[in-house]
Amino acid sequence: RKEVEQDPGPFNVPEGATVAFNCTYSNSASQSFFWYRQDCRKEPKLLMSVYSSGNEDGRFTAQLNRASQYISLLIRDSKLSDSATYLCVVNKGNTPLVFGKGTRLSVIA
Amino acid sequence: DAMVIQNPRYQVTQFGKPVTLSCSQTLNHNVMYWYQQKSSQAPKLLFHYYDKDFNNEADTPDNFQSRRPNTSFCFLDIRSPGLGDAAMYLCATSRTGDFLWPNEKLFFGSGTQLSVL
Repeated sequence: RKEVEQDPGPFNVPEGATVAFNCTYSNSASQSFFWYRQDCRKEPKLLMSVYSSGNEDGRFTAQLNRASQYISLLIRDSKLSDSATYLCVVNKGNTPLVFGKGTRLSVIA
Repeated sequence: DAMVIQNPRYQVTQFGKPVTLSCSQTLNHNVMYWYQQKSSQAPKLLFHYYDKDFNNEADTPDNFQSRRPNTSFCFLDIRSPGLGDAAMYLCATSRTGDFLWPNEKLFFGSGTQLSVL
């Protein structure tokens, strides 16, 4: 089983839609969780960290479910500029981050 | 201003011809990483340095080597590039490498896209 698994998509949604991505991780000892955004042929950029209590940043909400070992990202009121690949990232303590393959989102006008 | 700088942005090499990719940072971060990312794949860690301590991932081919002569610079050497080594190579830094710290994050360079002919 891969350390981090994501549905590759693509998710094609109209502007204004709400879309959610899930990600599962295999290492129950994982302690830190993040969502990164990557545009085509660009480097990944941190979107948000994921905290145990869940957290929200504007239109973006991240949730963590330790019992089921998954994290989620919800995007409300999708914009054209949200089109990108969203990478799920986990790590355990001071070990390097492990990236998922990403979920591709296309927001259509 | 770019804080993690990778050169060149695009690199073309010939099959079997050694190539070196470079990365520099102005952040004075302790940890530097090299990731390989192929099309539609996850960034895959090749190796990383905690200061001068080199950490090689178990499945990184021997064909890939790295040097970190000082805090600011890190190099990726591919001794005999094969067609399968064509990818985006991403350099990243972090201050301590401990991502339990609330403000710890990865800072990526813009990557070097390597083509092998």
